[in-house]
Amino acid sequence: DAGVTQSPTHLIKTRGQQVTLRCSPKSGHDTVSWYQQALGQGPHFIFQYYEEEERQRGNFPDRFSGHQFPNYSSELNVNALLLGDSALYLCASSFRVRGLGTDTQYFGPGTRLTVL
Amino acid sequence: QQPVQSPQAVILREGEDAVINCSSSKALYSVHWYRQKHGEAPVFLMILLKGGEQKGHEKISASFNEKKQQSSLYLTASQLSYSGTYFCGTEIGNQFYFGTGTSLTVIP
Repeated sequence: DAGVTQSPTHLIKTRGQQVTLRCSPKSGHDTVSWYQQALGQGPHFIFQYYEEEERQRGNFPDRFSGHQFPNYSSELNVNALLLGDSALYLCASSFRVRGLGTDTQYFGPGTRLTVL
Repeated sequence: QQPVQSPQAVILREGEDAVINCSSSKALYSVHWYRQKHGEAPVFLMILLKGGEQKGHEKISASFNEKKQQSSLYLTASQLSYSGTYFCGTEIGNQFYFGTGTSLTVIP
């Protein structure tokens, strides 16, 4: 059973460009969350997708957008890249059990984005 | 709303024990624990769903005091493989917050 996969592994962009990162969830998972992790910090929640809709959003500007497809895979798009967007972008998938109130998240290996 | 962890960093010799604490200013309904090794993704260790719940994973266990809005992770007889950064986390309103992190280094 494949776990969470992300592509690409590494990416180098210049300021002002746009980038798309991709995530395939673990089999049986229907919820995808995206996180940004700057060097030396913990992951920060960007947003979560469930049933192809953004269910919750963290404190990130509109330059960060996403999409979830019918097969539950997801994309993260970042427009007008800034130097400060350089980070490890993590995707986590989970399955929401009704009434449980929380998910167990499984993380992909991440995409290392460098903005020059 | 980010949970605060203590200590920030700890160095252990193999076989020693450690405790990592996680405190929140908001009510905790669940606590997750993750370990992240350098350059890798966080790996799920365990989740505690009820106040007072304790769980174990090999020689790593955790407790959850809902009233105090705290959780603690216990590592006993540490091994070199335990090195990494440990994060607690909690979900508030469909948004997941990771704690500030604790760097654990186990040396021979």
